[in-house]
Amino acid sequence: GQNIDQPTEMTATEGAIVQINCTYQTSGFNGLFWYQQHAGEAPTFLSYNVLDGLEEKGRFSSFLSRSKGYSYLLLKELQMKDSASYLCAVRDSNYQLIWGAGTKLIIKP
Amino acid sequence: EPEVTQTPSHQVTQMGQEVILRCVPISNHLYFYWYRQILGQKVEFLVSFYNNEISEKSEIFDDQFSVERPDGSNFTLKIRSTKLEDSAMYFCASSEIPDRVGEQYFGPGTRLTVT
Repeated sequence: GQNIDQPTEMTATEGAIVQINCTYQTSGFNGLFWYQQHAGEAPTFLSYNVLDGLEEKGRFSSFLSRSKGYSYLLLKELQMKDSASYLCAVRDSNYQLIWGAGTKLIIKP
Repeated sequence: EPEVTQTPSHQVTQMGQEVILRCVPISNHLYFYWYRQILGQKVEFLVSFYNNEISEKSEIFDDQFSVERPDGSNFTLKIRSTKLEDSAMYFCASSEIPDRVGEQYFGPGTRLTVT
C-alpha cells in the first residue's frame, strides 16, 4: 500500500528553527509537495521537490532523498503565524497526490 | 492575485439528497481537481479533470460522484445520494499545467454536513 509518515505534532519557539520530516512509500514517484494548512482553511503550496537536494525559498527550505524515500521541511526564524499543519504529499505513478496526515506545528513565544 | 473560489462555503443536507458543489478555477488554468478532507483526517484525492473529461479518479470517486464543467468558468462536483460519511470539507483546486512541475491552487473549500 501507499504510505506517507510524518510526526503528528511538534512544538518550537518563536525565532527558532524547526525541521519536519516526511517518509514515504508510494507506487512510483513524480514529485513531493509541502503544503501549509491553517485550521479550517485550504492548503497553500509551499514547495516542490522532484530531484534530490535542497530547495530554498525564503525562510522555508525543503530537502528530498529519493533513494531513502525521505524529505524534510525546514522553517527558519519561526513566527507565531507559522503555527499551522504542514502536509507532505507525494505524486505517484498515476500522478495522483497522496497526502500525509500532516504535522501540527505549535509555536510558543 | 487570481484565486479559486467555491460556493457555498457551508452546505447542510439530509441523507439521500443530491448536492452540487461549485468551483470557479483560475481563468487560465486547464487542470481541475476535487479533494475531500474529513474533519481531523488527511486530505484525499477524488478526481482530476482535463479537456472536459476525467483524467484520474480515486477509489472514493464511485458512481455516486460526478464532475462537470458546464460552461467556461464553473467546475462542479455532484453527489447523487449523500451519506453521513460524505460529511467533509471539499476542496477544489486548479493548475496551469499538470503537476509534473506545477502547483495546485486550492479554493477555500465547501464544508458539507450530511444529517
